[in-house]
Amino acid sequence: EPEVTQTPSHQVTQMGQEVILRCVPISNHLYFYWYRQILGQKVEFLVSFYNNEISEKSEIFDDQFSVERPDGSNFTLKIRSTKLEDSAMYFCASSERRDRGYGYTFGSGTRLTVV
Amino acid sequence: GEDVEQSLFLSVREGDSSVINCTYTDSSSTYLYWYKQEPGAGLQLLTYIFSNMDMKQDQRLTVLLNKKDKHLSLRIADTQTGDSAIYFCAERNYGGATNKLIFGTGTLLAVQP
Repeated sequence: EPEVTQTPSHQVTQMGQEVILRCVPISNHLYFYWYRQILGQKVEFLVSFYNNEISEKSEIFDDQFSVERPDGSNFTLKIRSTKLEDSAMYFCASSERRDRGYGYTFGSGTRLTVV
Repeated sequence: GEDVEQSLFLSVREGDSSVINCTYTDSSSTYLYWYKQEPGAGLQLLTYIFSNMDMKQDQRLTVLLNKKDKHLSLRIADTQTGDSAIYFCAERNYGGATNKLIFGTGTLLAVQP
């Protein structure tokens, strides 16, 4: 069964550093998403991406964050100048179409720890 | 704004039925989902229901939707130890400007042997 692949599974970074979280969505999917889950809290929407541009973003997704699809297969989330409160599990997801009811396929997540 | 709420914890004995409850606020929610998260793993879609349905059954899983009360439940029949996980309710407004999922807090299901 096709799956969304995320790397690395765990990343530790020092406060103030930049990190790039990588995702390989399912190959025929057109919509891509990032969500995050701070420990003990809800899974929160960050951003959706379609046709090489951001289609929607939450208020969490400020100038510190950016997304890119650099080569037609990868989908990355860059976090500049990381803060302690950026520590969370980050999930990538993809969907074939916007309006399919069966939801998205999520990756296994990258646990980001900012120290 | 939209909100989805769930109870935090449920403990059942193996073989019993589990019922996980969820309430949501967005009356325009069109698709409602149940996701399962096992330790260290991602979010696995278990089942979903479209808002014009009251019930959906899929093997051991039964989803009930009460649109009037904005209440969704997931019943797992003959619960097994392998069902121990966190279960997330999520909703999405199909056809609106947004395509995002709104998740609940998750319910930790502990199955006792």
